[in-house]
Amino acid sequence: NAGVTQTPKFQVLKTGQSMTLQCAQDMNHNSMYWYRQDPGMGLRLIYYSASEGTTDKGEVPNGYNVSRLNKREFSLRLESAAPSQTSVYFCASSGDDWTQYFGPGTRLTVL
Amino acid sequence: LAKTTQPISMDSYEGQEVNITCSHNNIATNDYITWYQQFPSQGPRFIIQGYKTKVTNEVASLFIPADRKSSTLSLPRVSLSDTAVYYCLVGDMGSRSGATNKLIFGTGTLLAVQP
Repeated sequence: NAGVTQTPKFQVLKTGQSMTLQCAQDMNHNSMYWYRQDPGMGLRLIYYSASEGTTDKGEVPNGYNVSRLNKREFSLRLESAAPSQTSVYFCASSGDDWTQYFGPGTRLTVL
Repeated sequence: LAKTTQPISMDSYEGQEVNITCSHNNIATNDYITWYQQFPSQGPRFIIQGYKTKVTNEVASLFIPADRKSSTLSLPRVSLSDTAVYYCLVGDMGSRSGATNKLIFGTGTLLAVQP
């Protein structure tokens, strides 16, 4: 089992560019999540998906969109990147016991 | 969602027992208490979860008093590799609706273990 995988690991964007962060899990979990973590801060929930076909906003959804493509995959899209979106992005998934398993993260810099 | 308060940082030495206390005065009846550990440049990792009294696993113990307004994570005989940020979270784990599993991570406690 690979657990939760994320691509890319690193990305540099210019202001206004768009990109999609990919996340996949092989644990057959229903729920998936996207968080961002700024330096010296805790994680803040951007969006989550309780099951395939459903998504809902978290604490900081502005500037992001998500797609729950199937049970395995949950992508995060930045339509027009801004410097304030420079952060480390973590994807997570959870099963029936709600324990969240995290991916290795994507370090995004927006210039 | 219940807010949690924990110390920003703690220092310890190898071989000591470390206790990190978290306060959650507004904990709800259905809320569970969960602790995660995060090393630099990695995603958080689940350590332990409990509802009341005491829970123990191979890594840590979790003590929860009867009023559940606080909890204490206990790490026995820490080593240098236990240097990390520890997050206390409170949330409703009993619901089967993912809509209630919105965990608030906060800033956590940075535990620094020295030789």
